[in-house]
Amino acid sequence: GAVVSQHPSRVICKSGTSVKIECRSLDFQATTMFWYRQFPKQSLMLMATSNEGSKATYEQGVEKDKFLINHASLTLSTLTVTSAHPEDSSFYICSALDEVNTEAFFGQGTRLTVV
Amino acid sequence: DAKTTQPPSMDCAEGRAANLPCNHSTISGNEYVYWYRQIHSQGPQYIIHGLKNNETNEMASLIITEDRKSSTLILPHATLRDTAVYYCIANTGGFKTIFGAGTRLFVKA
Repeated sequence: GAVVSQHPSRVICKSGTSVKIECRSLDFQATTMFWYRQFPKQSLMLMATSNEGSKATYEQGVEKDKFLINHASLTLSTLTVTSAHPEDSSFYICSALDEVNTEAFFGQGTRLTVV
Repeated sequence: DAKTTQPPSMDCAEGRAANLPCNHSTISGNEYVYWYRQIHSQGPQYIIHGLKNNETNEMASLIITEDRKSSTLILPHATLRDTAVYYCIANTGGFKTIFGAGTRLFVKA
């Protein structure tokens, strides 16, 4: 099946710093990608929809200035957690939509720990 | 997306078939039934999807009732590595995927 690569898989950062997470679709072009956050023992929560060449669409309650999304090419979307705080520690997951086959493929996730 | 309802957890003996039910009574005509699973600390993995016909692939079978209000995911010979959270999702196959709580499947030796 199609592959979506997420990098890094784990990151530890200090409070107040920013962290960038990359999501790449390796063998198909993705106009649309999605970013999720998952806290321990909870389900995935959709944060935003990333659209190539245009602004991301954020879900209610998600701060767009804190979670910056850039989708500059058909194979890459990035999520930047700005001025990170310990409560931002979470598992962040991206998915890329293969519109030809109407399937969404998920990255392996990024474990962010803010200390 | 139509709301889906799944049991919070299920057990299955290794080597036996695991049958995971899902209710989606408000599903609309253009919504597919998708199944994903998430093994601990990994991203979700696509399993199978269908519209109204039963589907089978190398991982599982999907049985959709004739009225499309419910479906069952069947893992024919469950192994310990199938222990995961299984998510049943109804959507139009091009839009954002909203996850519910899923079913936590425990496969026991």
